[in-house]
Amino acid sequence: EAGVTQSPTHLIKTRGQQATLRCSPISGHTSVYWYQQALGLGLQFLLWYDEGEERNRGNFPPRFSGRQFPNYSSELNVNALELEDSALYLCAILTGIMNTEAFFGQGTRLTVV
Amino acid sequence: AQSVTQLDSHVSVSEGTPVLLRCNYSSSYSPSLFWYVQHPNKGLQLLLKYTSAATLVKGINGFEAEFKKSETSFHLTKPSAHMSDAAEYFCVVSDGYGGATNKLIFGTGTLLAVQP
Repeated sequence: EAGVTQSPTHLIKTRGQQATLRCSPISGHTSVYWYQQALGLGLQFLLWYDEGEERNRGNFPPRFSGRQFPNYSSELNVNALELEDSALYLCAILTGIMNTEAFFGQGTRLTVV
Repeated sequence: AQSVTQLDSHVSVSEGTPVLLRCNYSSSYSPSLFWYVQHPNKGLQLLLKYTSAATLVKGINGFEAEFKKSETSFHLTKPSAHMSDAAEYFCVVSDGYGGATNKLIFGTGTLLAVQP
């Protein structure tokens, strides 16, 4: 059973549209973390949700937003898409001692044209 | 604030020769450090982690890393490269605590190429 399930695997949008990405953590995990992996920029922390609340966000504009549902699944919404939003978006949960070990989903590849 | 610097964006080795991927970190706390690997079109997989126990950490697929506080380094090594090791490797630091700052900080990655 996968620890983190993301959908869709690929998404193509045009500039100015909105994209919605989804993440479902394995049962028992209440926190989800979103990361953006853009070409040449490595992984950048986007958002952290825990118990339905946004706990922290990275250095991204407000058009990147999301929410967490009562079942702890999460959505990442990107409004007013720009070409540079094209990236792999990864969702992760933390496991292990002191919750320091990240387990990643396979990601959603967003392409903005 | 924590940060990591991966000193090489690309490393190329021949199959059967040693691998060295370099990582330096900066942390105000006693850090937790990790190496993750990402194969083409795959998600990220944890290779190994350091969480203030033994300074020499052994991971999967024959990789290991040594935490050197005096040098603020956490270099990844493997005695003998295999073709299947070709991937991108990320050095990661975490403050290791729950709470508002609990997030992982990734280096920019090192792309390892293995030549036959």
